[in-house]
Amino acid sequence: LAKTTQPISMDSYEGQEVNITCSHNNIATNDYITWYQQFPSQGPRFIIQGYKTKVTNEVASLFIPADRKSSTLSLPRVSLSDTAVYYCLVGLSSNTGKLIFGQGTTLQVKP
Amino acid sequence: GAVVSQHPSRVICKSGTSVKIECRSLDFQATTMFWYRQFPKKSLMLMATSNEGSKATYEQGVEKDKFLINHASLTLSTLTVTSAHPEDSSFYICSARDLNDGAEAFFGQGTRLTVV
Repeated sequence: LAKTTQPISMDSYEGQEVNITCSHNNIATNDYITWYQQFPSQGPRFIIQGYKTKVTNEVASLFIPADRKSSTLSLPRVSLSDTAVYYCLVGLSSNTGKLIFGQGTTLQVKP
Repeated sequence: GAVVSQHPSRVICKSGTSVKIECRSLDFQATTMFWYRQFPKKSLMLMATSNEGSKATYEQGVEKDKFLINHASLTLSTLTVTSAHPEDSSFYICSARDLNDGAEAFFGQGTRLTVV
């Protein structure tokens, strides 16, 4: 299973764009890249998923370079409510379906 | 999106008793469910993978007799913490996937277990 590496924490201010990069050097050919958001005492919430290039939805964008060894979650114009832990995961495509969580990135948005 | 419901959201039990946590997929059939444990300010730790109709697969270091998992139907998996001790106090989270349809996993809201 691909191991992911993310910054432990990031600080930002309201209205700024935040980019969180995740390294996954051992990603398998069939693996998808998925990002989750977690607030305290809640289960993780799906943000975005991609396989290659760029994916955009109503809350975020996901940039994946051609070698797929990293990915960047982009949150446009963050607000205080975006303060949370963000997890990058790979490996959803495997037959076991296991999702192994890395340490995640704690994003603190300041006013 | 698909919904996974976990119950109860919070439970307090006495040492030595057993506690059952339910995880239900409300609008899809979950061929596979996962149980996680999370300590304060830590990441989610996978405990076991539960496949419908077969025995659960436990991660290394997780006691199968301590954490009983049953996946009796395509919409329900249960985790029973047996003979609970204070060190079992934690946040337990389930996740469900339909391996036959899409690569997304859906998570329950979590259960806060406190053993006193």
